[in-house]
Amino acid sequence: GDSVTQMEGPVTLSEEAFLTINCTYTATGYPSLFWYVQYPGEGLQLLLKATKADDKGSNKGFEATYRKETTSFHLEKGSVQVSDSAVYFCALSDQRSFQKLVFGTGTRLLVSP
Amino acid sequence: EADIYQTPRYLVIGTGKKITLECSQTMGHDKMYWYQQDPGMELHLIHYSYGVNSTEKGDLSSESTVSRIRTEHFPLTLESARPSHTSQYLCASSEPGPSGNTIYFGEGSWLTVV
Repeated sequence: GDSVTQMEGPVTLSEEAFLTINCTYTATGYPSLFWYVQYPGEGLQLLLKATKADDKGSNKGFEATYRKETTSFHLEKGSVQVSDSAVYFCALSDQRSFQKLVFGTGTRLLVSP
Repeated sequence: EADIYQTPRYLVIGTGKKITLECSQTMGHDKMYWYQQDPGMELHLIHYSYGVNSTEKGDLSSESTVSRIRTEHFPLTLESARPSHTSQYLCASSEPGPSGNTIYFGEGSWLTVV
């Protein structure tokens, strides 16, 4: 079945450092790919998405490019802030699986001043 | 952004009590979902719905039940809560469209069973 693999956390960075959180997927179809962010005590917020190969999703300085050849959707940000500290979930949605989201295990990001 | 609301946000109840977690969305989405998430852990789909009068079990077995009598409403019920039900429950709905399916989440309901 479909699956998503994320790098394990926590990822600890200093403010203004460059961020990469790796995400790879396995899917038999052509899924849409998502990054969700969860701040402490809150639900999930959609951060960005890409629906086909080579699409780049971007929001709030975060970017991720849908790479079909490497089945990856790595999240990047050029300069993180303390307020970016949260758990980040990579997910895919396949039309054939009723649009259910398959999540990775989440990566906790801790940014220190 | 979709408007999707969950109540209560936080609930502490005793073992054996019946509880219903409410979920409503105002965007007219046909598809709705319930996910369960233990603190710091991954999310698991426990229920979903294609539309009114449609409910299906998700990938993770759950003792909870759901109903879908109205498009905008998708409540989850535990007939007899146990400490093992302590978790966060996230309701979601998805937006149809040619650009793909985007799933929007409510803020979650934190349930503690003592």
